[in-house]
Amino acid sequence: NAGVTQTPKFQVLKTGQSMTLQCAQDMNHEYMSWYRQDPGMGLRLIHYSVGAGITDQGEVPNGYNVSRSTTEDFPLRLLSAAPSQTSVYFCASSYGQGVFYEQYFGPGTRLTVT
Amino acid sequence: GENVEQHPSTLSVQEGDSAVIKCTYSDSASNYFPWYKQELGKGPQLIIDIRSNVGEKKDQRIAVTLNKTAKHFSLHITETQPEDSAVYFCAASKAAGNKLTFGGGTRVLVKP
Repeated sequence: NAGVTQTPKFQVLKTGQSMTLQCAQDMNHEYMSWYRQDPGMGLRLIHYSVGAGITDQGEVPNGYNVSRSTTEDFPLRLLSAAPSQTSVYFCASSYGQGVFYEQYFGPGTRLTVT
Repeated sequence: GENVEQHPSTLSVQEGDSAVIKCTYSDSASNYFPWYKQELGKGPQLIIDIRSNVGEKKDQRIAVTLNKTAKHFSLHITETQPEDSAVYFCAASKAAGNKLTFGGGTRVLVKP
């Protein structure tokens, strides 16, 4: 298994540009989520999905959109990038919800917005 | 919502010494407390977790303790080795769902 994969690894955007961060997992996990990591603030939940076709907001959803058309993929869209979205983004997946399944994290995407 | 505080933010120890990281949480409904290790350039990886019906859990050189009354939990690393150098995160979650609230992280440096 490749586990959780993310592309790209690095990205530089200008303010106002849009882009999609890709996340895929090959473990048949139902639960997927996106976090952003900023210095001294740990990881904060952006959006999550409990299965194909179902998404919900996390702690910091503003400026981001998600969709879940397949079990494997969970892309994160930045509609109009802002410097405040400069961060490292991690995608995670786990087998299910409601019980304490381990979350597996991808390697991250480092995004810089100028 | 839940708030998790983590201390210290940086920790430097001599190889062979012990390291202790402490976290407090605010929501008494939280009952799952994982710890993650993040190495440079990688995503966080689960190293140990504890559930609210357990006060202590140990796995080789790492152990976690939980005090639900005081709402704090701690990670203990004994006989530290250079490969223990990393950023460590605590987190908290409720029974339903997998939404984790993370602490701010602790950068641990083990000096040979």
